[in-house]
Amino acid sequence: SQQGEEDPQALSIQEGENATMNCSYKTSINNLQWYRQNSGRGLVHLILIRSNEREKHSGRLRVTLDTSKKSSSLLITASRAADTASYFCATDQIGSGSRLTFGEGTQLTVNP
Amino acid sequence: NAGVTQTPKFRVLKTGQSMTLLCAQDMNHEYMYWYRQDPGMGLRLIHYSVGEGTTAKGEVPDGYNVSRLKKQNFLLGLESAAPSQTSVYFCASKGAGGPREQFFGPGTRLTVL
Repeated sequence: SQQGEEDPQALSIQEGENATMNCSYKTSINNLQWYRQNSGRGLVHLILIRSNEREKHSGRLRVTLDTSKKSSSLLITASRAADTASYFCATDQIGSGSRLTFGEGTQLTVNP
Repeated sequence: NAGVTQTPKFRVLKTGQSMTLLCAQDMNHEYMYWYRQDPGMGLRLIHYSVGEGTTAKGEVPDGYNVSRLKKQNFLLGLESAAPSQTSVYFCASKGAGGPREQFFGPGTRLTVL
């Protein structure tokens, strides 16, 4: 079963709006990562947040991590049509031996 | 650098046929992974390797075998393909030391009739 669960499963917004995606997980982690997948392509790493970090920024991306609630959120600000993709969270669980467990993803559509 | 490459890109098999998917990386990464992705789902780990000559089972290993004879290559074999193995297969690699991201190949779309 998947460790991470994304919410919502699908999100449709207008260009310029912000998009927020959430991820919940069940067990203790070393770090949590977010990946993006364009239709028919491989996954591309976006950002990694360690278990002792609470917030991280990269360009228009902002990731938060709440280990007490076992949840993370990915915020994309000022979205563009090119941000249309599926977004996955992946957890590096303690004791996993560098394996990642992926959630089922959020399909983001940004309408021009 | 080419990064992570996968061959073939597409393949159609009949039930019972065998095939090997090849993954190659030119980043000198220690770790390599094989995942499958089914429609509307995330990735599930099939097998992985923590270094040349090593392999280990992931979440869904049944029906698959792997080999890592060279550090840069990770092969995924299907000995007797079944329709349930119709999926998109992704290879990934990761460097050693500390928390790092995985680098993914473009995928192989496999259909088993």
